[in-house]
Amino acid sequence: NAGVMQNPRHLVRRRGQEARLRCSPMKGHSHVYWYRQLPEEGLKFMVYLQKENIIDESGMPKERFSAEFPKEGPSILRIQQVVRGDSAAYFCASSPSTQGGAGELFFGEGSRLTVL
Amino acid sequence: GENVEQHPSTLSVQEGDSAVIKCTYSDSASNYFPWYKQELGKRPQLIIDIRSNVGEKKDQRIAVTLNKTAKHFSLHITETQPEDSAVYFCAADSSNTGKLIFGQGTTLQVKP
Repeated sequence: NAGVMQNPRHLVRRRGQEARLRCSPMKGHSHVYWYRQLPEEGLKFMVYLQKENIIDESGMPKERFSAEFPKEGPSILRIQQVVRGDSAAYFCASSPSTQGGAGELFFGEGSRLTVL
Repeated sequence: GENVEQHPSTLSVQEGDSAVIKCTYSDSASNYFPWYKQELGKRPQLIIDIRSNVGEKKDQRIAVTLNKTAKHFSLHITETQPEDSAVYFCAADSSNTGKLIFGQGTTLQVKP
């Protein structure tokens, strides 16, 4: 059973370009979470999705950032018109269900975005 | 919403000593408290977790204690080894939604 798969692992973009980060959850997992980690900082919650639904996007910046988890295919975190401050590691995590409360999140290896 | 504070930010111990990391949380409705270990450049991995109906949980050299009244929980690592060196994050779930809010992290260095 493959773990959470994220790609690309490293992405370099110039200011103003778009970044697309993809995440395939573990098999059987229907809940996806995106976290951002700035250098030497903690994991900041961005968004929580289930298939075709955004459950909680309270951590997403109001502009330029969007996320989706379509019926088919991976979850995508999209950052438009990137700025240097977007440089960070973006971690995706998945869980099988939140029925009965929270449980372990399984993290991918992260996508490291560098904005020049 | 939930807010999690973690201390200390850095911790250096001699091999064989114990290490303690403490976290406080704000949402009294939180009932799941995991601890993750992150090695440099790697993904966070769960090392132990505790639910609010339990006061303490132990797994070999690692233990977690929870005080719901005071809204704080702690990670205890005994007989530390150099391979325990990493960043440790505590977390608390937010109002039973499955969303985890993380502390700022503790960089643990175990000196041989």
